[in-house]
Amino acid sequence: KNEVEQSPQNLTAQEGEFITINCSYSVGISALHWLQQHPGGGIVSLFMLSSGKKKHGRLIATINIQEKHSSLHITASHPRDSAVYICAVRRGGSQGNLIFGKGTKLSVKP
Amino acid sequence: GAVVSQHPSRVICKSGTSVKIECRSLDFQATTMFWYRQFPKQSLMLMATSNEGSKATYEQGVEKDKFLINHASLTLSTLTVTSAHPEDSSFYICSARDQATGGPRLSEKLFFGSGTQLSVL
Repeated sequence: KNEVEQSPQNLTAQEGEFITINCSYSVGISALHWLQQHPGGGIVSLFMLSSGKKKHGRLIATINIQEKHSSLHITASHPRDSAVYICAVRRGGSQGNLIFGKGTKLSVKP
Repeated sequence: GAVVSQHPSRVICKSGTSVKIECRSLDFQATTMFWYRQFPKQSLMLMATSNEGSKATYEQGVEKDKFLINHASLTLSTLTVTSAHPEDSSFYICSARDQATGGPRLSEKLFFGSGTQLSVL
């Protein structure tokens, strides 16, 4: 079993829909990152969470440390949101080792 | 905002040649940079952690003699794939951590390069 599991693997939505991507992990962590990878491969860091909830524009990320679960929500989705969304966790006490989920490929249709 | 510049973006080379990939932090000092590899339809995997002025720390299974990492300055880390073979064909991407002086570790942010697609013929 992977230490970081994401669901769904693929997601197709209509423009305007509310989208949720889930991430569960099985190790103790000091932080969790949500990343966005575009078709060309470039990666943008969206959020870093250690507790609670963060919001940036139409994106909301939550984390429940006790349940070892995080969600990324996109409100009023748009075709430009189409990308692969990756959850990555940093092991507790580690310097830099990120463990990555396999990603969720999101396609938003106009 | 902070920018990490990585180049080249794409390399096609013959088997047996060496390829150097550069990763620069443009407007911040990165004492630590990370190198990742991503095979098609697979997760990103950390290859090594590069610390300015010291030897890189390699993850298990990554050959340090094959993947040479140099982090000679606070803004530049290089990854050299020596004697590349077709199985080294992959997407390589770096990231750098912007640690504000005196800030808590948990406030760190990660910034990624744009990646390098290596194809070895």
